[in-house]
Amino acid sequence: DAKTTQPNSMESNEEEPVHLPCNHSTISGTDYIHWYRQLPSQGPEYVIHGLTSNVNNRMASLAIAEDRKSSTLILHRATLRDAAVYYCILTNFGNEKLTFGTGTRLTIIP
Amino acid sequence: DTEVTQTPKHLVMGMTNKKSLKCEQHMGHRAMYWYKQKAKKPPELMFVYSYEKLSINESVPSRFSPECPNSSLLNLHLHALQPEDSALYLCASSQTMDRMNTEAFFGQGTRLTVV
Repeated sequence: DAKTTQPNSMESNEEEPVHLPCNHSTISGTDYIHWYRQLPSQGPEYVIHGLTSNVNNRMASLAIAEDRKSSTLILHRATLRDAAVYYCILTNFGNEKLTFGTGTRLTIIP
Repeated sequence: DTEVTQTPKHLVMGMTNKKSLKCEQHMGHRAMYWYKQKAKKPPELMFVYSYEKLSINESVPSRFSPECPNSSLLNLHLHALQPEDSALYLCASSQTMDRMNTEAFFGQGTRLTVV
């Protein structure tokens, strides 16, 4: 399975953009990049996913490097409710398990 | 309805007890998952059901026994657990296993304590 590497923790100020990096240097051409987050005392929730092109939705943006060896989850304006552990996960057709790594614990400073 | 409902929310059981965790979804999803999460660790996959058939068992001890009686329900039967099995048990569902380029929905989990 292709692995992802994320910083253990990050801090950001409230109402500022947050850029959460993920390295996946062994990604294959058919691996999808998923982001999930887990708020305290809750189950994980889907944030966004993509294959090659950058993606936007109501929660966040996903910027994928041209060589696909890294990606960045962008929260455009962080709120206190965005404090969570963010997981970057790769899936592939034929190996669609969601396998969680250690993730990045995001702290939002008021 | 985009919810995955897990019951009970909390469970305390003795090592000789038999109990079951229940998970329900009404999104028409045909893939359902059990995860185990210890404190301050990421969720670990235990089982995957696809079209009501067990598709993946991640070498889980036999004291955990999954069951998928229909496409909306997923159970996890527990018997002779150990204190180290205390954890948050999460259920998830997705459209199918073959289309994991779409999102998975997770329940809030059952917090299990084995005494």
